[in-house]
Amino acid sequence: EAGVAQSPRYKIIEKRQSVAFWCNPISGHATLYWYQQILGQGPKLLIQFQNNGVVDDSQLPKDRFSAERLKGVDSTLKIQPAKLEDSAVYLCASSFTAYNSPLHFGNGTRLTVT
Amino acid sequence: GQNIDQPTEMTATEGAIVQINCTYQTSGFNGLFWYQQHAGEAPTFLSYNVLDGLEEKGRFSSFLSRSKGYSYLLLKELQMKDSASYLCAGVKPNYGGSQGNLIFGKGTKLSVKP
Repeated sequence: EAGVAQSPRYKIIEKRQSVAFWCNPISGHATLYWYQQILGQGPKLLIQFQNNGVVDDSQLPKDRFSAERLKGVDSTLKIQPAKLEDSAVYLCASSFTAYNSPLHFGNGTRLTVT
Repeated sequence: GQNIDQPTEMTATEGAIVQINCTYQTSGFNGLFWYQQHAGEAPTFLSYNVLDGLEEKGRFSSFLSRSKGYSYLLLKELQMKDSASYLCAGVKPNYGGSQGNLIFGKGTKLSVKP
């Protein structure tokens, strides 16, 4: 089966600019997650979708971050405006909506904010 | 709280056995996952424990004690390719009945030497 697809692979922007990341989950996976991974840290959940509805966005900095999954398949995460501390790898993951099924991660987008 | 603690770094010799420990506060996790992450790559699923005891999968085994808030990952017959970060992650339940999301530790960087 095809894995989780993410683009772009790398992005460099200046602070206060905007950026968007795209994710296409594994076919049939209703649950989609965006994680932020800062160098040397474990991934931190930003937002979780079930189909096109938000399940958990409690750690999403909503003043600058937004995410959508309009048709319940692919998803976009946006940062506007970016700050230096947003430099990280943004990982998208998906899973079956079944009790404790494992998350499958994409290769991530490495964002550098200068 | 749901803090997860792991050693930051470990070193082991090719062919040996290594145990990576993970401790967590016992409130609210529905299970525990272990992921492997090579530098610059996405985390990949290794094992999952929902009940107490040992789960064995080839060279990798994982143990869970829910009452003690303790898990470990055991790697046998170490190979050079096992050099990676190992992430312990607890499943945070979503009380709406949907798939829970993962709370990750900071990861343990394992270096395997000849």
